[in-house]
Amino acid sequence: KAGVTQTPRYLIKTRGQQVTLSCSPISGHRSVSWYQQTPGQGLQFLFEYFSETQRNKGNFPGRFSGRQFSNSRSEMNVSTLELGDSALYLCASSWGDRDQETQYFGPGTRLLVL
Amino acid sequence: SQQGEEDPQALSIQEGENATMNCSYKTSINNLQWYRQNSGRGLVHLILIRSNEREKHSGRLRVTLDTSKKSSSLLITASRAADTASYFCATDARTVGNEKLTFGTGTRLTIIP
Repeated sequence: KAGVTQTPRYLIKTRGQQVTLSCSPISGHRSVSWYQQTPGQGLQFLFEYFSETQRNKGNFPGRFSGRQFSNSRSEMNVSTLELGDSALYLCASSWGDRDQETQYFGPGTRLLVL
Repeated sequence: SQQGEEDPQALSIQEGENATMNCSYKTSINNLQWYRQNSGRGLVHLILIRSNEREKHSGRLRVTLDTSKKSSSLLITASRAADTASYFCATDARTVGNEKLTFGTGTRLTIIP
């Protein structure tokens, strides 16, 4: 079974631009979560989608948004990029059960904002 | 904000030795999980321990959980060079509207050949 895939793997943008990152979960998984990882803040939860609905959201500004499609693929968008948005963005998929949830992570998208 | 704090932040040991890292957390949990990350790549799930379990084994890994102290430890026995990575604990609090994992700050483990 194929793992979680993320595209693109690397991205360079300039301040003020917007960016869209994509995540394809493991087949059958209905939950996709997004995380931001930076050296200073560590792994921070962005949001989780389950069956096309945002189920939870972390403490990030409204510039960060996401969506999930009927095939469970998910995208996240960051508008008006800031230098501090430079990070490794990880998505993780899971079955979506409420108990005993193991998350399967993709390789990440490394975003550099200049 | 980080739910878990890991200790130590960095650890270097000789190949073949055992490595122990600790995780402390703040709120009640349903389960606690340990993940490994190799040099800026995705995380790999290692082991999950439920709140009603005290110890769990998986190969060379042993995890303990003390819910009264809100702490967990991960022991890697007979370490190998390939174990060099960052290790994160993640807590699953799973209350309504809080369906996510909260990760600790991580321990950077270096195995010296």
